[in-house]
Amino acid sequence: GAGVSQSPRYKVTKRGQDVALRCDPISGHVSLYWYRQALGQGPEFLTYFNYEAQQDKSGLPNDRFSAERPEGSISTLTIQRTEQRDSAMYRCASSIGDEAGYTFGSGTRLTVV
Amino acid sequence: AQSVAQPEDQVNVAEGNPLTVKCTYSVSGNPYLFWYVQYPNRGLQFLLKYITGDNLVKGSYGFEAEFNKSQTSFHLKKPSALVSDSALYFCAVRSLTGRRALTFGSGTRLQVQP
Repeated sequence: GAGVSQSPRYKVTKRGQDVALRCDPISGHVSLYWYRQALGQGPEFLTYFNYEAQQDKSGLPNDRFSAERPEGSISTLTIQRTEQRDSAMYRCASSIGDEAGYTFGSGTRLTVV
Repeated sequence: AQSVAQPEDQVNVAEGNPLTVKCTYSVSGNPYLFWYVQYPNRGLQFLLKYITGDNLVKGSYGFEAEFNKSQTSFHLKKPSALVSDSALYFCAVRSLTGRRALTFGSGTRLQVQP
């Protein structure tokens, strides 16, 4: 596609529910990144894929968070048993290569009530 | 560990005046540096990046940034500010050869007064 597409745009969920956030990167972009951004803060790295391989998941806060990119294109970030502290903007970015820039999607605003 | 400091929460400048948004960084090895801009209710938009080469990097919308290795700084500049430049600006860094994750600063809000 023309840009990085994330869905849903907004998600309100009750505490304890599982949520799945989707990222559709730019076609042909090898690398895909997930970030989380709290209000008024800079994005924080969560995890990174090269093709379908999860290369770095050191930023995932705990084992309730997981991500996959099974065919090297679309990625899903899943949060199990959501908590209020998980409320944030979740941003996906993709890149064509190591020295290229990162293109960010518009993000998914997650609110846990 | 890599880190970015944006020492100013907010920068105020009059339209037509030059602007500078400060950024200093810490990273192992050679840095790969970025500036992004975020408008209200919008995503992060790429402004410019530095890998190697000229220390003065030109980017989108008339912005430029100066890489200073000895001061570990990458300040964003524009010769003449526009009201439409008002937004939240983020500096980011990663190591050229190490971990691929970008580390962002906390952001600087630029307010350009007419």
